Amino acid sequence: GQQVMQIPQYQHVQEGEDFTTYCNSSTTLSNIQWYKQRPGGHPVFLIQLVKSGEVKKQKRLTFQFGEAKKNSSLHITATQTTDVGTYFCAGIHNNNDMRFGAGTRLTVKP
Amino acid sequence: NAGVTQTPKFQVLKTGQSMTLQCAQDMNHEYMSWYRQDPGMGLRLIHYSVGAGITDQGEVPNGYNVSRSTTEDFPLRLLSAAPSQTSVYFCASSYNGHTEAFFGQGTRLTVV
Repeated sequence: GQQVMQIPQYQHVQEGEDFTTYCNSSTTLSNIQWYKQRPGGHPVFLIQLVKSGEVKKQKRLTFQFGEAKKNSSLHITATQTTDVGTYFCAGIHNNNDMRFGAGTRLTVKP
Repeated sequence: NAGVTQTPKFQVLKTGQSMTLQCAQDMNHEYMSWYRQDPGMGLRLIHYSVGAGITDQGEVPNGYNVSRSTTEDFPLRLLSAAPSQTSVYFCASSYNGHTEAFFGQGTRLTVV
């Protein structure tokens, strides 16, 4: 099946440390999206990557899409307490279904 | 602009009861979908629709029915609730399934 694996499941960091979460798909993706879900909230769109090898930045967040369009990563530089939440990748396949990774729950100690 | 509206926010059902989770969007999106979220398992796709009159199964469709009679509405029906269906349910919509998805606030369902 079309699976999207995401690691790690949990990450606890000291404020100011960096954080990275990784996603891997068993099949080539049309594109990949990243979402953030605050505790008790709903997923909120962060970004979409479409092109092979694409890199996009949003302030302290850097998103990468692998050359084979099967893997992606989200890196946060110098985490802040406002970064707390669960980060999900979502792989979109050509048949229009969006499969989410299990998410990485980030906690930040002040 | 309300975006994606889900009702109810909370629901407790007895095993065997049926109910419908409502989802409506006012963005004229063609693509709508239902997910369930369980601890440690992320969001799993239940059913999706690429337009009015068209629905398809996702990853975990058993025990759920959907219909899409209008562009705006995409209700999810539980025919005979089971404790395994205790979860948080999210409805989402997007322009075409390949673009940014907008999520509703979620429905927390408990089946006892």
